[in-house]
Amino acid sequence: DIQMTQSPASLSASLEEIVTITCQASQDIGNYLSWYQQKLGKSPQLLIHSATSLADGVPSRFSGSRSGTQYSLKINRLQVEDTGIYYCLQHYSAPYTFGAGTKLELK
Amino acid sequence: QVQLKESGPGLVQPSETLSLTCTVSGFSLTSYSVSWVRQPSGKGPEWMGRMWYDGDTAYNSALKSRLSISRDTSKNQVFLKMNSLQTDDTGTYYCTRERNWEGGYFDYWGQGVMVTVSS
Repeated sequence: DIQMTQSPASLSASLEEIVTITCQASQDIGNYLSWYQQKLGKSPQLLIHSATSLADGVPSRFSGSRSGTQYSLKINRLQVEDTGIYYCLQHYSAPYTFGAGTKLELK
Repeated sequence: QVQLKESGPGLVQPSETLSLTCTVSGFSLTSYSVSWVRQPSGKGPEWMGRMWYDGDTAYNSALKSRLSISRDTSKNQVFLKMNSLQTDDTGTYYCTRERNWEGGYFDYWGQGVMVTVSS
């Protein structure tokens, strides 16, 4: 199975700050990487697909990038509504595997 | 609009079988695949398996011996059955629509159904 190592596990940041979350894949997964935001008691919501493409309706302060097998989610100018848990997902090969998650809180 | 909704029992006895239904609207099961994803409380999600748009299935090898996914296209429903449940199967179970033509990410999720395995 492909392992997705996500960091950091938790993050506390201030309003308007820039935040970066990373996922390292254990092997090449191309651009088959997506990012999800999950708020307490809710289902995950798609933010980024194909490593760098913004999902419909997602604010442009969210962006995704790739460098080899390392993938990053960047949030520019953090807002109150951005708190929650973020997960990466590799959908290159079955079984699809998620990162362990990053809990983002406001400082 | 696209919607998925999971339904099923909230409480299952250990060693019993879990049966869940995902009812979809706003898209066709013959055009999109549907995956099941579960999430233990306080933990990350786990992909369980998929009903392909063409009726084929794929399973997480960790669950394959216990898991079965089927569908009824006339009712717009996808079914999950998992046997020999144990306490560590407790969690929230989601069905998701998969963009199989664009790499397989999940663009819509159901609200989830909480399943507790306990006697």
